Amino acid sequence: QVQLVESGGGLVKPGGSLRLSCAASGFTFSDYYMSWIRQAPGKGLEWVSYISSSGSTIYYADSVKGRFTISRDNAKNSLYLQMNSLRAEDTAVYYCARDSYDSSGYYDGMDVWGQGTTVTVSS
Amino acid sequence: SYELTQPPSVSVSPGQTARITCSGDALPKQYAYWYQQKPGQAPVLVIYKDSERPSGIPERFSGSSSGTTVTLTISGVQAEDEADYYCQSADSSGALVFGGGTKLTVL
Repeated sequence: QVQLVESGGGLVKPGGSLRLSCAASGFTFSDYYMSWIRQAPGKGLEWVSYISSSGSTIYYADSVKGRFTISRDNAKNSLYLQMNSLRAEDTAVYYCARDSYDSSGYYDGMDVWGQGTTVTVSS
Repeated sequence: SYELTQPPSVSVSPGQTARITCSGDALPKQYAYWYQQKPGQAPVLVIYKDSERPSGIPERFSGSSSGTTVTLTISGVQAEDEADYYCQSADSSGALVFGGGTKLTVL
């Protein structure tokens, strides 16, 4: 079945780094754009970043630009988020999601989500 | 930065119709998407491209668009529809954005 499984979350001190992973299965990973979305405790969803199927196109939210790096390894069916210079406000559940497009190239939304991995930034 | 505005909460009785709005300046030019999130669970896509419904989503969920406002309508609300609902779209640069979310309470 189509599945996304995040890992790599944990407790890190302010200024520290963490690398999140998202393992995809049940679909042709290399055909899809992928996104990272986060949700701070008790708050709403915040889009973080997305990467094109080949990795050639990348966008970041202003809140993480210059600190986070999204990447992918299509041979390993894996998506990554390298998070540096972490701040308390980065504390959140981080989800990876599959970005779907129709045959004409129009965006069809995030149609598959993982269960999330928790990142806590605290001293 | 671009923002999508949703009401914080909407309450309806079972069997009634719930309408959740989302406003944003770019919505006349960009499609909107709606996600349902129940406590402790990942979000689920319930409407895409303003009004399309993914397979497996009940017909009582529908979407519409008018100018700078899009609306998620849930007809014949059931207790299981109680959840947080988020709209999502894109700004002119291609960056994605979520609304602040609306908590739907089924009385």
